[in-house]
Amino acid sequence: AQKITQTQPGMFVQEKEAVTLDCTYDTSDQSYGLFWYKQPSSGEMIFLIYQGSYDEQNATEGRYSLNFQKARKSANLVISASQLGDSAMYFCAMRGSSSGFQKLVFGTGTRLLVSP
Amino acid sequence: KAGVTQTPRYLIKTRGQQVTLSCSPISGHRSVSWYQQTPGQGLQFLFEYFSETQRNKGNFPGRFSGRQFSNSRSEMNVSTLELGDSALYLCASGSSSYEQYFGPGTRLTVT
Repeated sequence: AQKITQTQPGMFVQEKEAVTLDCTYDTSDQSYGLFWYKQPSSGEMIFLIYQGSYDEQNATEGRYSLNFQKARKSANLVISASQLGDSAMYFCAMRGSSSGFQKLVFGTGTRLLVSP
Repeated sequence: KAGVTQTPRYLIKTRGQQVTLSCSPISGHRSVSWYQQTPGQGLQFLFEYFSETQRNKGNFPGRFSGRQFSNSRSEMNVSTLELGDSALYLCASGSSSYEQYFGPGTRLTVT
């Protein structure tokens, strides 16, 4: 079984600053994938970034980077140069080889508020 | 490419009724997964369909069912609605790679 823990219910950051959203995971699978999604108030889940368990380099997508520390089982999302439009819920999720196929297990989310 | 579409976007039903939600995946994607999101339980996996076959199922009662058609479009059905079924229902479309993209969701309110 897989488990995702997000310990920050809410985070505040000023525009143009960087912010780190924490995510730890637990799995006995050797092969797994870690995802971050953004959910604005409209409800749609927007894919941000993906890290495979065998990827040696941390994933980056524009202003998003994933700080993957396998030994610590953490997969923190770093958003550089925050923008007002980054205000949303952020979910960390994982998919493991034992859970089968496309099933994602989500954390409880972190609400990010970006102020001017 | 068009994204994942879900219809309807909003729905109000009465306890005891049944409801059918629809999801059209991204063209070429053969996997469709369904999730329920509530404030109390968070995001929970319902089931996944691939090439018209259910290949994974979450821990939900039998009132929740789904199917997938030959064009990969999927429907989920909830029978005998309960107040606790009020939720945002999200559909995700996937290919053979790691990618999974979600639709805008259907917000179901049961009164």
